[in-house]
Amino acid sequence: DQQVKQNSPSLSVQEGRISILNCDYTNSMFDYFLWYKKYPAEGPTFLISISSIKDKNEDGRFTVFLNKSAKHLSLHIVPSQPGDSAVYFCAAHGSFGNEKLTFGTGTRLTIIP
Amino acid sequence: DAGVIQSPRHEVTEMGQEVTLRCKPISGHNSLFWYRQTMMRGLELLIYFNNNVPIDDSGMPEDRFSAKMPNASFSTLKIQPSEPRDSAVYFCASSLASGFTEAFFGQGTRLTVV
Repeated sequence: DQQVKQNSPSLSVQEGRISILNCDYTNSMFDYFLWYKKYPAEGPTFLISISSIKDKNEDGRFTVFLNKSAKHLSLHIVPSQPGDSAVYFCAAHGSFGNEKLTFGTGTRLTIIP
Repeated sequence: DAGVIQSPRHEVTEMGQEVTLRCKPISGHNSLFWYRQTMMRGLELLIYFNNNVPIDDSGMPEDRFSAKMPNASFSTLKIQPSEPRDSAVYFCASSLASGFTEAFFGQGTRLTVV
């Protein structure tokens, strides 16, 4: 049972344009949502997060939006840069005492120069 | 801190052999996760420890897999006997479980079972 879903396995975006990566979840107990970035032969690295009490969190070129009613979150990268080419994983966990971190299957983002 | 340290980085073994993967979490972290990365399932959680106690091992594929955390600074994931379908990249991650927290990952162990 995939509780965190990333339905787009890949995405190509022109350099300078906006990249939008999507994620859906099914578990209403999730309280905290994260995005990770992964380069080949490296471990995933934390990118940005959002708690369930917010609907938007921004950090430089990266913004995460959360729609709790739709159980949907998205990551916006603007402007996209070649170094953003990587696999992006969406993840989520419950509240204090339930920090089991569940990941989606990932989306491979390719930025075209 | 050096981050989460995994060893070995690469492991090639023959089917039927025992394989042990090792992980040293970040000092002070109290949660530890073992993940397996596959194309079909992405980052699949195998087992989750909190304060050295296994909290959720529902992701462990079968009895051939076992994990231990004898102390706060060391964990192992063992596969015995190994099979070709176990070939994957295995990641260890640790976090300071405090309600809202991110996990930090090691660089992974690429396991190939031939």
